[in-house]
Amino acid sequence: GAGVSQSPRYKVAKRGQDVALRCDPISGHVSLFWYQQALGQGPEFLTYFQNEAQLDKSGLPSDRFFAERPEGSVSTLKIQRTQQEDSAVYLCASSQDRGTEAFFGQGTRLTVV
Amino acid sequence: RKEVEQDPGPFNVPEGATVAFNCTYSNSASQSFFWYRQDCRKEPKLLMSVYSSGNEDGRFTAQLNRASQYISLLIRDSKLSDSATYLCVVLRTDSWGKLQFGAGTQVVVTP
Repeated sequence: GAGVSQSPRYKVAKRGQDVALRCDPISGHVSLFWYQQALGQGPEFLTYFQNEAQLDKSGLPSDRFFAERPEGSVSTLKIQRTQQEDSAVYLCASSQDRGTEAFFGQGTRLTVV
Repeated sequence: RKEVEQDPGPFNVPEGATVAFNCTYSNSASQSFFWYRQDCRKEPKLLMSVYSSGNEDGRFTAQLNRASQYISLLIRDSKLSDSATYLCVVLRTDSWGKLQFGAGTQVVVTP
């Protein structure tokens, strides 16, 4: 596709449920990022991939959060045993290479009830 | 203290007026700077990169002051469509992968 695609756009999860969020980056983009954005805040860094290598996962808030990009293209962010504080918009971005312009997907709005 | 700080606003600007706001960053290793624009419930989109010598893109002018560690954005001849949240973004030389965002400055252009 022409842009970064994320699915689902909206997800309602019961507390304790596991969720998986998908990101399809722009074809050929080497770098992929996941961000978490709470209402009224700027995006907060979660993790970064260069191809299939996860080079930085310092922003993942707990070990309930796990991200992968096994073939260097599509990425999945998994959240286990969701909590109410996980409710946020999860944004995925890709760039041609590190340090270049990052293009964002429309995000997945996660609501934990 | 957050690594990137912005005045949250809102900046209420009459149509046609000029508005300017700053963003400060705390890490001197910050190397690349950007302004992103985010509309309500939409994803951030790159507005412009910020170069050391300052740069202009139509009605938008960005400046970088490395000594004082801040960047600025000026919008001239404001349009109603400029109403948005403007996110300041820095990229550090020691962390090429991580774009660090400010919380955003809200601009509201009124008729």
